[in-house]
Amino acid sequence: QQQVKQSPQSLIVQKGGISIINCAYENTAFDYFPWYQQFPGKGPALLIAIRPDVSEKKEGRFTISFNKSAKQFSLHIMDSQPGDSATYFCAASMETSGSRLTFGEGTQLTVNP
Amino acid sequence: SAVISQKPSRDICQRGTSLTIQCQVDSQVTMMFWYRQQPGQSLTLIATANQGSEATYESGFVIDKFPISRPNLTFSTLTVSNMSPEDSSIYLCSVETTGYGYTFGSGTRLTVV
Repeated sequence: QQQVKQSPQSLIVQKGGISIINCAYENTAFDYFPWYQQFPGKGPALLIAIRPDVSEKKEGRFTISFNKSAKQFSLHIMDSQPGDSATYFCAASMETSGSRLTFGEGTQLTVNP
Repeated sequence: SAVISQKPSRDICQRGTSLTIQCQVDSQVTMMFWYRQQPGQSLTLIATANQGSEATYESGFVIDKFPISRPNLTFSTLTVSNMSPEDSSIYLCSVETTGYGYTFGSGTRLTVV
């Protein structure tokens, strides 16, 4: 009930391409779905987040697509750049104060020049 | 969003010793969270620290091994006790701020030899 499954484990994309990372969750009580970006030696940084009342959220080159009935959400990185090379984590929580984040396994993205 | 200072950023410790990690936040927060990230892995919640009460530990983590202090609304410490090589990980603190989701510190990279 608390798991978040993320795929792929690793992804290699050419510069300018679209990077797509997928996550699936089980707990229907989850109502907050953030994506984090982590560079080596750094803590995770919030990239973009969505709540289940919308099916899509876009911020610059980053878009979250959310499918409530399928209990799936995905991150799309348009026009991928070498500087986007990092590890990406999806997560989920219940939007109550102090609710824990449950993380996916992570995707290591490499964008080749 | 909140700014988190975490110290030390890295350390190499002898097995059997203890290390205390400090987490300082630039604003008052109710909940502070401590995570462990093993090499190449996702983040696992160790415990939730609420000021003025005992920390709440996740399954698999115990207070004797990971004692936590939360003396005020801007500071917390996590101690890794009686360390073994299996404790080699990145330890991260995190806070939740209204409207900004969860923010993470840069982490403490611990190597136990």
